Amino acid sequence: DAGITQSPRHKVTETGTPVTLRCHQTENHRYMYWYRQDPGHGLRLIHYSYGVKDTDKGEVSDGYSVSRSKTEDFLLTLESATSSQTSVYFCAISRQGTPGDTQYFGPGTRLTVL
Amino acid sequence: AQRVTQPEKLLSVFKGAPVELKCNYSYSGSPELFWYVQYSRQRLQLLLRHISRESIKGFTADLNKGETSFHLKKPFAQEEDSAMYYCALTGGYNQGGKLIFGQGTELSVKP
Repeated sequence: DAGITQSPRHKVTETGTPVTLRCHQTENHRYMYWYRQDPGHGLRLIHYSYGVKDTDKGEVSDGYSVSRSKTEDFLLTLESATSSQTSVYFCAISRQGTPGDTQYFGPGTRLTVL
Repeated sequence: AQRVTQPEKLLSVFKGAPVELKCNYSYSGSPELFWYVQYSRQRLQLLLRHISRESIKGFTADLNKGETSFHLKKPFAQEEDSAMYYCALTGGYNQGGKLIFGQGTELSVKP
């Protein structure tokens, strides 16, 4: 497995609380991505980063924010969690973000919002 | 609209039977197509991509631009092929490598 870890791996929280998920890589890849996986929807891109402090929105960015203060860490924050954000969250990395580039995925974080 | 469609939620076959997982896409431009696989309790990983025209674990996929399809095929299914399969595409060089995934097809290979 590429050097990608996610923390926590499981989290249960209550509606309205803030939650931060962390993705950490040891590959020094430039691009990092956050996806959510839901039955019937596959994986959908939330936000991505193309360098330190450089981020952009994905398809389902409402209710989420991200930060990348150093190459190896990409944080996903739910400012005020809602039940619709119950999902499995995957981080991915790629070296250059080009079409032929392989994306390597982390193990996922299962988040339950009660 | 950019979209990837996998019409089958679940595909169940017997060991040794041929397998075809369907994937259709909608994209204004020339996308790159991929198949990713997620085995039970493992992370998502690349199975194959059109750009390198490779065959991995006996799987192949042909891009049909006329039908906008990228179906995944294997002539003889094995039990260890049981997994979740996702078709995905990405756009041009200025798209940041963002992947658009289909809904996924669960393949179950029975003994």
